Amino acid sequence: QKEVEQDPGPLSVPEGAIVSLNCTYSNSAFQYFMWYRQYSRKGPELLMYTYSSGNKEDGRFTAQVDKSSKYISLFIRDSQPSDSATYLCAMSGPGNMLTFGGGTRLMVKP
Amino acid sequence: ETGVTQTPRHLVMGMTNKKSLKCEQHLGHNAMYWYKQSAKKPLELMFVYSLEERVENNSVPSRFSPECPNSSHLFLHLHTLQPEDSALYLCASSQGGGAGQTDTQYFGPGTRLTVL
Repeated sequence: QKEVEQDPGPLSVPEGAIVSLNCTYSNSAFQYFMWYRQYSRKGPELLMYTYSSGNKEDGRFTAQVDKSSKYISLFIRDSQPSDSATYLCAMSGPGNMLTFGGGTRLMVKP
Repeated sequence: ETGVTQTPRHLVMGMTNKKSLKCEQHLGHNAMYWYKQSAKKPLELMFVYSLEERVENNSVPSRFSPECPNSSHLFLHLHTLQPEDSALYLCASSQGGGAGQTDTQYFGPGTRLTVL
């Protein structure tokens, strides 16, 4: 079993839709959770960072962590074609290296 | 230049060639990383340097040789590569957090390597 599981997609939605991206993990020591966005032919860029459980909102993006279920989500409201990218979840325990999911490819169609 | 830069952006090499990838970070960070990203696979951590000392080598073949001359520069020297080494090679840097803090990593644009 992989430490971090992420559906590779592709996920195709119409413009304006609410998008839900998810990762599950098996290591209960993970406390730090991140979402990276990677456009084609570019490096990943940090999108959201959360510590422990709960929600964090930044504009159209909301990151949610449920440690009891070992499940994290990224919600994108009012999705735009410019949101089309691969979204990578990443997580770690204190002082440890990041473990990445395989990424979900999102396509937002005008 | 800001952030993390990588050169070259694209590289095609034969199996007998020797080449080097360069990474430079302009963020004042203390840790630098090399990752390999292959199609449909998660990011694979290759090497980690903290304060110019290698702290992790993730069972990478010896045909990949890293070098970190200072906290701002990181190289990946390549020799006698195989076609399966073709991938996007990403460099990242981070602050180098202390106990209890995770290390948010900032990535460069990557070098797209093709081995013929």
